[in-house]
Formats: sequence, C-alpha cells, structure tokens
Amino acid sequence: DAGVIQSPRHEVTEMGQEVTLRCKPISGHNSLFWYRQTMMRGLELLIYFNNNVPIDDSGMPEDRFSAKMPNASFSTLKIQPSEPRDSAVYFCASSLWESNEQFFGPGTRLTVL
Amino acid sequence: SQQGEEDPQALSIQEGENATMNCSYKTSINNLQWYRQNSGRGLVHLILIRSNEREKHSGRLRVTLDTSKKSSSLLITASRAADTASYFCATEGGNTPLVFGKGTRLSVIA
Repeated sequence: DAGVIQSPRHEVTEMGQEVTLRCKPISGHNSLFWYRQTMMRGLELLIYFNNNVPIDDSGMPEDRFSAKMPNASFSTLKIQPSEPRDSAVYFCASSLWESNEQFFGPGTRLTVL
Repeated sequence: SQQGEEDPQALSIQEGENATMNCSYKTSINNLQWYRQNSGRGLVHLILIRSNEREKHSGRLRVTLDTSKKSSSLLITASRAADTASYFCATEGGNTPLVFGKGTRLSVIA
C-alpha cells in the first residue's frame, strides 16, 4: 500500500486566494483526520470523519475552513479566503477506528503571502 | 483537556546514550501512544500502551505508564543518530480521537 497520499506537498499562495488540499487515505481505513501543525500551537486536530461522515469539526478555526469526504478514498480541506496566519503544515491521517493507531500522510506545507 | 504534555521540550545526547522522554496528561485514558516525526515528514506510530498495562517493549523502545500519576515515559536505549526526531505522546479516552502533545525534540549527536 502507498500509505496516505496528500497533494500538493507544497503550496504558496497569496492572501485572499482559495486553497484546496487533498488526501487519499489508506484503502480500507474508515476514519480520516485533518491536522494543522505550527511551531506555536503544535499539532491541532481540525476535523475528523468516520465512514465519510464528519463527526467533529470543532477544531476548524473559522468558517473560512471547510472539509469534505465525498467517498471513502478522497477528502479535501479548503480554505477560502486564505490568510497569512493559515501558513502551516497540514496533515491528513487515516485509521481503522477500532485500532486507534493513525497513519499520517507526508503533509502539505502551506505558505500564504 | 486530556492533552499530553511532553518533557523535556528538547533533549540532546551522544550516540549510544539512553534517551528518556516523559508525558503527563490530565484525564483518564483508554490508551497512550507514542509517535515519531522526522523533519519534514508525517508522524509515525511507535508503540501503544493500554491503561491496564504498566510497561511495554518494542526493540530499543521501552514505554511505561503510571495511571495514578497520569504519566508515561519513553526510553530509547543505545540511541543512534537516526533516532534524531521529535517524539509525541497521544492520549485516547472514551469515544474521542487522539490528542497529541507538543513533542520532545531529540538530537542524537554522533
């Protein structure tokens, strides 16, 4: 298995632009998590899905952030409009809910100028 | 919050020495996990210890859990330069996902 796949790996954009981050979880996993990592705040859980259904989005910082999981093999995290303080590394992780262990993707490093 | 807090924030040791990292948390848990993150990469699961376990081993890793003190430690024996990374504890309690601490940055000097 290729593991969790994220794209793009790096994104540089200007303030106000829409940003879409993509994630393909490990086949067969039924839970998907989006995290944001910064030096100041560490690793923050933004939202997670179970069987493609959003369970808890309380970590989403603002209405500018939205996430979807249209099927078991694909999820997106969208920021519209983006702001410089959104600059961070965004990770997607997947797991079998019953197993607890999470498998992380390589992350997307987002820079908003 | 049941967030784990690692201690120390940073640790620098010589190759061959043992490295010990600690994690404290606030509420009851079902299990505690340790992850490693190499620079520029995603986190990788190392080991899971359940609340009814006190110690667990995996290769050069030894994890202890003291639920009465709400603390855990990760020991890496005979460290290598390749062990240089950040190490995170994560706690899981009830029907909620993992909550990660801010990590300990380990540097192993050859």
